[in-house]
Amino acid sequence: DGGITQSPKYLFRKEGQNVTLSCEQNLNHDAMYWYRQDPGQGLRLIYYSQIVNDFQKGDIAEGYSVSREKKESFPLTVTSAQKNPTAFYLCASSIRAGPQSSGNTIYFGEGSWLTVV
Amino acid sequence: AQSVTQLGSHVSVSEGALVLLRCNYSSSVPPYLFWYVQYPNQGLQLLLKYTTGATLVKGINGFEAEFKKSETSFHLTKPSAHMSDAAEYFCAVSDRGVTGGGNKLTFGTGTQLKVEL
Repeated sequence: DGGITQSPKYLFRKEGQNVTLSCEQNLNHDAMYWYRQDPGQGLRLIYYSQIVNDFQKGDIAEGYSVSREKKESFPLTVTSAQKNPTAFYLCASSIRAGPQSSGNTIYFGEGSWLTVV
Repeated sequence: AQSVTQLGSHVSVSEGALVLLRCNYSSSVPPYLFWYVQYPNQGLQLLLKYTTGATLVKGINGFEAEFKKSETSFHLTKPSAHMSDAAEYFCAVSDRGVTGGGNKLTFGTGTQLKVEL
């Protein structure tokens, strides 16, 4: 079945540690996104990528890093610089980016919980 | 900058009653509009979206929403609530005027729907 796979579902991070969340899609979508969800705050965009080897910062990129070496993969690294990383992280994708793409549906993965211990 | 306001972080209805979840947007031009549903510990699923054409949009699971430009609203309704509708609902907008920037969604803070017997 086509879809977006995020792993792990639950991850614990120690203080000062970097962790990486995996996101893989087999929908042949060009654009991929990472959102952070906190209770009562909705979803906020961390990073997005419109094409392989290119990505842009979203609204809350500080303390995070990404790579887009393959079309189907968009891993997110939560670095030690992110002081409040405990949240639910959602990866998403859409069929294409570029002009007139803003009406395209964005599809979401099942999410990953990150907790600082 | 565009924004989304969802009135009521929690809404409770009886099974079989009308569901009305409110969404107002602020944007320099009429945006693309989306409603997503999220079940506990899961990703978001698209209910419906408005891009062009008829302002009354029908979605999955019996939900519909009407785009009212004069009121800058996109309220979500369902004539008869079912227990399975209990979830969190997010309204989102995407800037119609974006060129080359992909479709970055701005989300509201969500409305938790509770359905009681």
